[in-house]
Amino acid sequence: DIQMTQSPSSLSASVGDRVTITCRASQGIRNDLGWYQQKPGKAPKRLIYAASSLQSGVPSRFSGSGSGTEFTLTISSLQPEDFATYYCLQHNSLYTFGQGTKLEIK
Amino acid sequence: EVQLVQSGAEVKKPGESLKISCKGSGYRFSSYWIGWVRQMPGKGLEWMGIIYPGDSDTRYSPSFQGQVTISVDNSISTAYLQWSSLKASDTAMYYCARQGGDHDFDYWGQGTLVTVSS
Repeated sequence: DIQMTQSPSSLSASVGDRVTITCRASQGIRNDLGWYQQKPGKAPKRLIYAASSLQSGVPSRFSGSGSGTEFTLTISSLQPEDFATYYCLQHNSLYTFGQGTKLEIK
Repeated sequence: EVQLVQSGAEVKKPGESLKISCKGSGYRFSSYWIGWVRQMPGKGLEWMGIIYPGDSDTRYSPSFQGQVTISVDNSISTAYLQWSSLKASDTAMYYCARQGGDHDFDYWGQGTLVTVSS
C-alpha cells in the first residue's frame, strides 16, 4: 500500500498570507496526485489534478507542484473563503488520501 | 452538467442491513469508474472502493474488503454501497465520486449520512 504523509495537520494563517501544504508518498507515484478542499458539511472539491494542473474555475492563487514522492499545494494570498481542510489524494496504485490539513484563521 | 445525486440520510440499528445509492447524470455513466469514500465524524477521507459500471469490475481498499459490497445498475445509472450487518463504527458520511480522465475524482455526490445506533 502507498502511504501519504501530509503536513502540517493544522495551520493558522491570516488573510493575505502565503501558505504551503506538503504531501509525501511512501514510494514514487509520478504525478498521480490531486489536491482537494473541503468545507464543513460539504463534499470535497478538486483544486489540482496531475500534481500541478489547475481545475477549471479554481482561482489562480492555488498552485501545485512536485513529482515522485514530494508534493506541495501553495495558496499565494489567502482569502477568507480559503479557510477549510485540504487533502491530497494519490491514484498511482489504488487510492490513498493524506490525513488532511485544517487551515484556520489566525 | 455532470451530477452525482446520493440517497438520503439513514438511521439504522446495529445488525441491520443497508444499501445506499449514487445516481449519475449528464455523462455516459457506463464509461467512468465510480468510487466510494468514507468520512467518520470529525475525521479525514478514506477511500473504500471503486467500480466500473461498464463491466462491474470492482476494486476494494484492503481496509474495507469483506466489510461492504459495491455494485451498479447501469440501466438506471446508479451505483450502490451496501452493508449486510451494520456496526456502530459504520456511522459516517459516505461520498460517491466519479473517476475522471485524469484518474482521480473530479465530481462528487453530496454525501449520505449513515447513523448506526441502538
